[in-house]
Amino acid sequence: DAKTTQPPSMDCAEGRAANLPCNHSTISGNEYVYWYRQIHSQGPQYIIHGLKNNETNEMASLIITEDRKSSTLILPHATLRDTAVYYCIVSPISSGSARQLTFGSGTQLTVLP
Amino acid sequence: KAGVTQTPRYLIKTRGQQVTLSCSPISGHRSVSWYQQTPGQGLQFLFEYFSETQRNKGNFPGRFSGRQFSNSRSEMNVSTLELGDSALYLCASSLVRRTSTDTQYFGPGTRLTVL
Repeated sequence: DAKTTQPPSMDCAEGRAANLPCNHSTISGNEYVYWYRQIHSQGPQYIIHGLKNNETNEMASLIITEDRKSSTLILPHATLRDTAVYYCIVSPISSGSARQLTFGSGTQLTVLP
Repeated sequence: KAGVTQTPRYLIKTRGQQVTLSCSPISGHRSVSWYQQTPGQGLQFLFEYFSETQRNKGNFPGRFSGRQFSNSRSEMNVSTLELGDSALYLCASSLVRRTSTDTQYFGPGTRLTVL
Protein backbone atom coordinates (compact mmCIF):
# COMPACT_ATOMS: atom_id res chain seq x y z
CA ASP A 1 0.00 0.00 0.00
CA ALA A 2 1.07 3.54 -0.73
CA LYS A 3 2.32 5.39 2.34
CA THR A 4 1.05 8.76 1.22
CA THR A 5 -2.33 10.48 1.08
CA GLN A 6 -3.17 13.07 -1.55
CA PRO A 7 -6.41 14.80 -2.56
CA PRO A 8 -7.80 13.13 -5.68
CA SER A 9 -8.16 16.36 -7.64
CA MET A 10 -7.39 20.07 -7.60
CA ASP A 11 -7.91 23.00 -9.91
CA CYS A 12 -5.63 25.97 -10.37
CA ALA A 13 -5.92 29.10 -12.49
CA GLU A 14 -3.28 29.58 -15.14
CA GLY A 15 -0.48 31.84 -13.95
CA ARG A 16 -1.23 31.25 -10.29
CA ALA A 17 0.74 29.07 -7.90
CA ALA A 18 -0.40 25.48 -7.58
CA ASN A 19 0.07 24.04 -4.10
CA LEU A 20 -0.27 20.27 -3.95
CA PRO A 21 -0.38 18.74 -0.47
CA CYS A 22 0.74 15.29 0.58
CA ASN A 23 0.41 13.53 3.90
CA HIS A 24 3.05 10.97 4.83
CA SER A 25 2.54 10.66 8.56
CA THR A 26 4.29 7.28 8.82
CA ILE A 27 7.47 8.37 7.05
CA SER A 28 10.63 7.09 8.65
CA GLY A 29 13.92 8.86 9.08
CA ASN A 30 15.56 7.01 6.19
CA GLU A 31 12.94 7.88 3.59
CA TYR A 32 12.92 10.64 1.02
CA VAL A 33 9.83 12.40 -0.33
CA TYR A 34 9.66 12.23 -4.11
CA TRP A 35 7.30 13.95 -6.51
CA TYR A 36 6.56 12.76 -10.02
CA ARG A 37 3.91 13.80 -12.49
CA GLN A 38 2.30 11.97 -15.36
CA ILE A 39 0.71 13.67 -18.29
CA HIS A 40 -1.95 11.51 -19.87
CA SER A 41 -0.55 8.18 -21.08
CA GLN A 42 3.07 9.33 -20.92
CA GLY A 43 5.77 8.04 -18.59
CA PRO A 44 6.00 9.68 -15.15
CA GLN A 45 8.29 12.68 -15.05
CA TYR A 46 10.56 13.27 -12.07
CA ILE A 47 9.99 16.68 -10.47
CA ILE A 48 11.86 16.97 -7.20
CA HIS A 49 12.75 15.14 -4.01
CA GLY A 50 13.81 16.05 -0.49
CA LEU A 51 14.68 14.63 2.89
CA LYS A 52 13.98 17.31 5.49
CA ASN A 53 15.03 20.64 4.06
CA ASN A 54 12.99 22.63 1.57
CA GLU A 55 14.14 22.12 -2.00
CA THR A 56 13.79 24.15 -5.19
CA ASN A 57 14.66 23.45 -8.78
CA GLU A 58 13.69 24.84 -12.14
CA MET A 59 10.36 23.04 -12.08
CA ALA A 60 9.05 23.39 -8.55
CA SER A 61 9.61 23.90 -4.85
CA LEU A 62 9.14 21.28 -2.17
CA ILE A 63 8.22 22.31 1.34
CA ILE A 64 8.53 19.61 4.00
CA THR A 65 7.15 20.24 7.48
CA GLU A 66 9.53 20.10 10.39
CA ASP A 67 8.07 16.82 11.65
CA ARG A 68 8.27 15.46 8.07
CA LYS A 69 4.71 14.16 8.25
CA SER A 70 3.52 16.24 5.31
CA SER A 71 4.82 18.17 2.36
CA THR A 72 3.64 20.58 -0.31
CA LEU A 73 4.74 20.74 -3.91
CA ILE A 74 4.57 24.26 -5.30
CA LEU A 75 4.42 25.07 -9.00
CA PRO A 76 4.98 28.82 -8.85
CA HIS A 77 3.30 29.87 -12.08
CA ALA A 78 1.08 27.07 -13.38
CA THR A 79 0.55 26.72 -17.12
CA LEU A 80 -1.90 24.60 -19.07
CA ARG A 81 0.93 22.14 -19.72
CA ASP A 82 1.15 21.47 -15.97
CA THR A 83 -2.19 19.65 -16.12
CA ALA A 84 -1.27 16.13 -15.01
CA VAL A 85 -1.54 13.57 -12.24
CA TYR A 86 0.96 14.38 -9.49
CA TYR A 87 2.32 11.56 -7.36
CA CYS A 88 3.90 11.98 -3.95
CA ILE A 89 6.04 8.97 -3.00
CA VAL A 90 8.19 8.11 -0.02
CA SER A 91 11.25 6.09 -0.92
CA PRO A 92 14.01 4.63 1.25
CA ILE A 93 17.46 6.10 1.16
CA SER A 94 19.11 2.69 0.78
CA SER A 95 19.75 2.25 -2.90
CA GLY A 96 18.31 -1.23 -3.25
CA SER A 97 14.82 -0.48 -2.01
CA ALA A 98 14.82 2.96 -3.59
CA ARG A 99 14.40 1.43 -7.01
CA GLN A 100 10.99 -0.06 -6.16
CA LEU A 101 8.64 2.91 -6.12
CA THR A 102 5.15 2.50 -4.70
CA PHE A 103 2.69 4.80 -6.44
CA GLY A 104 -0.62 5.82 -4.94
CA SER A 105 -3.55 7.36 -6.76
CA GLY A 106 -2.02 10.83 -6.98
CA THR A 107 -3.70 14.20 -7.44
CA GLN A 108 -5.19 15.19 -10.78
CA LEU A 109 -4.22 18.83 -11.20
CA THR A 110 -6.21 20.72 -13.79
CA VAL A 111 -4.90 24.15 -14.76
CA LEU A 112 -7.75 26.31 -15.99
CA PRO A 113 -7.34 29.10 -18.56
CA LYS B 1 21.73 13.05 -22.66
CA ALA B 2 19.08 11.00 -24.36
CA GLY B 3 16.32 9.81 -22.07
CA VAL B 4 15.04 6.32 -21.45
CA THR B 5 13.80 4.75 -24.67
CA GLN B 6 11.30 1.95 -25.01
CA THR B 7 10.38 -0.10 -28.05
CA PRO B 8 7.94 -0.70 -29.45
CA ARG B 9 5.65 2.12 -28.36
CA TYR B 10 2.48 0.27 -29.27
CA LEU B 11 1.76 -3.41 -29.59
CA ILE B 12 -1.33 -5.50 -30.27
CA LYS B 13 -1.31 -9.20 -29.45
CA THR B 14 -3.88 -11.94 -29.00
CA ARG B 15 -4.50 -14.12 -25.97
CA GLY B 16 -2.00 -16.92 -25.56
CA GLN B 17 0.78 -15.19 -27.46
CA GLN B 18 3.96 -13.94 -25.87
CA VAL B 19 5.57 -10.52 -26.12
CA THR B 20 8.99 -9.00 -25.54
CA LEU B 21 9.44 -5.34 -24.68
CA SER B 22 12.74 -3.50 -24.77
CA CYS B 23 14.18 -0.70 -22.69
CA SER B 24 17.38 1.30 -23.17
CA PRO B 25 18.36 3.24 -20.05
CA ILE B 26 19.94 6.66 -19.88
CA SER B 27 23.63 6.42 -20.73
CA GLY B 28 25.59 5.49 -17.62
CA HIS B 29 22.57 4.26 -15.70
CA ARG B 30 23.01 0.74 -14.44
CA SER B 31 19.60 -0.11 -12.97
CA VAL B 32 16.41 -0.73 -14.88
CA SER B 33 13.02 -1.15 -13.24
CA TRP B 34 9.78 -2.17 -14.90
CA TYR B 35 6.26 -1.11 -13.97
CA GLN B 36 2.79 -1.97 -15.20
CA GLN B 37 0.06 0.66 -15.29
CA THR B 38 -3.61 -0.22 -15.66
CA PRO B 39 -6.71 1.87 -14.95
CA GLY B 40 -7.81 -0.50 -12.21
CA GLN B 41 -4.53 -1.17 -10.39
CA GLY B 42 -2.57 1.98 -11.13
CA LEU B 43 1.21 1.90 -11.37
CA GLN B 44 2.69 -1.31 -9.99
CA PHE B 45 6.30 -2.41 -9.70
CA LEU B 46 7.21 -5.53 -11.69
CA PHE B 47 10.93 -6.05 -11.15
CA GLU B 48 14.31 -4.38 -11.14
CA TYR B 49 17.60 -5.39 -12.71
CA PHE B 50 21.06 -4.22 -11.78
CA SER B 51 24.32 -5.73 -13.00
CA GLU B 52 22.38 -8.26 -15.06
CA THR B 53 20.71 -9.65 -11.94
CA GLN B 54 17.13 -9.35 -10.78
CA ARG B 55 17.30 -7.46 -7.48
CA ASN B 56 13.67 -6.88 -6.56
CA LYS B 57 10.42 -8.41 -7.73
CA GLY B 58 6.83 -7.29 -7.39
CA ASN B 59 3.77 -9.45 -6.92
CA PHE B 60 3.27 -10.70 -10.45
CA PRO B 61 2.95 -14.24 -11.81
CA GLY B 62 5.87 -16.11 -13.34
CA ARG B 63 4.56 -15.32 -16.82
CA PHE B 64 6.28 -11.98 -16.37
CA SER B 65 10.03 -12.19 -16.67
CA GLY B 66 12.92 -10.03 -17.66
CA ARG B 67 16.61 -9.81 -18.18
CA GLN B 68 19.36 -7.26 -18.41
CA PHE B 69 22.31 -7.26 -20.75
CA SER B 70 25.89 -6.21 -20.09
CA ASN B 71 25.23 -2.79 -21.65
CA SER B 72 22.37 -2.29 -19.11
CA ARG B 73 19.66 -2.58 -21.74
CA SER B 74 16.75 -4.63 -20.50
CA GLU B 75 13.94 -6.69 -21.91
CA MET B 76 10.79 -7.94 -20.30
CA ASN B 77 8.77 -10.86 -21.55
CA VAL B 78 5.18 -11.81 -20.92
CA SER B 79 4.16 -15.32 -21.93
CA THR B 80 0.68 -16.74 -22.46
CA LEU B 81 -0.90 -13.32 -22.67
CA GLU B 82 -4.23 -12.69 -20.95
CA LEU B 83 -6.71 -9.91 -21.58
CA GLY B 84 -5.78 -8.42 -18.21
CA ASP B 85 -2.21 -7.92 -19.36
CA SER B 86 -3.37 -5.00 -21.48
CA ALA B 87 -1.54 -2.08 -19.93
CA LEU B 88 1.06 0.60 -20.27
CA TYR B 89 4.45 -0.94 -19.47
CA LEU B 90 6.96 1.54 -18.16
CA CYS B 91 10.66 1.25 -17.78
CA ALA B 92 12.71 3.44 -15.45
CA SER B 93 16.46 3.74 -15.12
CA SER B 94 18.65 5.02 -12.32
CA LEU B 95 22.34 5.66 -11.86
CA VAL B 96 22.96 3.58 -8.70
CA ARG B 97 25.12 5.65 -6.42
CA ARG B 98 26.38 4.32 -3.14
CA THR B 99 26.39 7.69 -1.44
CA SER B 100 22.86 8.95 -2.04
CA THR B 101 19.42 7.92 -3.11
CA ASP B 102 18.66 6.81 -6.64
CA THR B 103 16.25 8.86 -8.67
CA GLN B 104 14.37 6.90 -11.29
CA TYR B 105 13.75 8.37 -14.73
CA PHE B 106 10.94 6.89 -16.75
CA GLY B 107 10.60 6.14 -20.43
CA PRO B 108 7.50 6.86 -22.52
CA GLY B 109 6.12 3.36 -22.08
CA THR B 110 4.88 0.59 -24.34
CA ARG B 111 1.13 0.38 -24.75
CA LEU B 112 0.21 -3.33 -24.98
CA THR B 113 -3.26 -4.33 -26.06
CA VAL B 114 -4.29 -7.97 -25.79
CA LEU B 115 -7.28 -9.02 -27.88
